[in-house]
Amino acid sequence: GAGVSQSPSNKVTEKGKDVELRCDPISGHTALYWYRQSLGQGLEFLIYFQGNSAPDKSGLPSDRFSAERTGGSVSTLTIQRTQQEDSAVYLCASTRRTDTQYFGPGTRLTVL
Amino acid sequence: KNQVEQSPQSLIILEGKNCTLQCNYTVSPFSNLRWYKQDTGRGPVSLTIMTFSENTKSNGRYTATLDADTKQSSLHITASQLSDSASYICVVSAWNTGTASKLTFGTGTRLQVTL
Repeated sequence: GAGVSQSPSNKVTEKGKDVELRCDPISGHTALYWYRQSLGQGLEFLIYFQGNSAPDKSGLPSDRFSAERTGGSVSTLTIQRTQQEDSAVYLCASTRRTDTQYFGPGTRLTVL
Repeated sequence: KNQVEQSPQSLIILEGKNCTLQCNYTVSPFSNLRWYKQDTGRGPVSLTIMTFSENTKSNGRYTATLDADTKQSSLHITASQLSDSASYICVVSAWNTGTASKLTFGTGTRLQVTL
């Protein structure tokens, strides 16, 4: 079956621009997570959606970061006024509640 | 503070050899521990998951062990193959929180298998 997909796979942008990253979770998975993985670093939790509950935004590093999940399925992560330190791989994962997370391939963001 | 430490940071072994990766954690209250394999440029893929009562679990050539008393886990790879070259990430979950913010990730061990 189809796994978690993310787009774009690579994104190069200029400092100060806004970017949108997309995640299509596995059908039927109610939970969706966004993570950031900087070079040589572990995965950093950003935000978590579970069904219709209010998202857990405790991992968002600043108010430039926001995410939404429409219709309980597709999610977009938006970074406004990008900075060079935002350069990283952004990973999305989905799961049935607290089961094993299935990760997408990630979006590699480079801010020049 | 919840922490997960992995060792070694990187490892190079010859094809066919065995190796063991270590994970020490200070996560409380402990719920479960997962090992993920992450190929370069790909998302992590789950290998094993163990709860408090499980002390060993196998997935093919991968065998994970868990000592909840000493808060240590290991991932043993038998008869390594070139395709085992990847980063191996240890992830520990705190009990009954149901949110990802209580998942603590290690920084991974980078394994390279050579001819």
